Amino acid sequence: DAGVTQSPTHLIKTRGQQVTLRCSPKSGHDTVSWYQQALGQGPQFIFQYYEEEERQRGNFPDRFSGHQFPNYSSELNVNALLLGDSALYLCASSPFGQGNSYEQYFGPGTRLTVT
Amino acid sequence: DAKTTQPTSMDCAEGRAANLPCNHSTISGNEYVYWYRQIHSQGPQYIIHGLKNNETNEMASLIITEDRKSSTLILPHATLRDTAVYYCIVRVYSGNTPLVFGKGTRLSVIA
Repeated sequence: DAGVTQSPTHLIKTRGQQVTLRCSPKSGHDTVSWYQQALGQGPQFIFQYYEEEERQRGNFPDRFSGHQFPNYSSELNVNALLLGDSALYLCASSPFGQGNSYEQYFGPGTRLTVT
Repeated sequence: DAKTTQPTSMDCAEGRAANLPCNHSTISGNEYVYWYRQIHSQGPQYIIHGLKNNETNEMASLIITEDRKSSTLILPHATLRDTAVYYCIVRVYSGNTPLVFGKGTRLSVIA
């Protein structure tokens, strides 16, 4: 059973460019959450997708947007990249709303460097 | 902001028990205590969670004080592979409530 997968592993972009990161959730999971982890910090919640809609959002600007596909995979898009967007971007998946608390399963992350 | 306070770092000898403390004095009645860990260059990994009773699984034990204002994660026999950053998180009991991470405790297991 494949866990959460993310691509690419590493990415280098120039300030002002746009980037798309991809995530495939764990089998059986239909909810995807994205987190940003700056160096030396804990992960920070960006947003969550379920049924192809953004359901919750953290304190991130509109430059950060996402999409979820019918197969539950997801993309994170960041426009007009800033040097401060350099971070590890983590995707987490979980089943939605089954009345119990399920732990979120994290992927290995995509390391984005903005120069 | 994270609702928990943890020491920045701790050391533990290999084979000994690692006891990681966490303060969460403002925890609400409907919030659980969760523990995750993050091994270098990997995504966070769920360890255990609890409400008010002590919990144990194959990875660790969780001891929550009676007033629920603090807890301790116990790794009974730490190995070098347990070297990681450990995050204590309080969270409403809902599968899809976002996780609010602090800076965690960096545990170094020493041979």
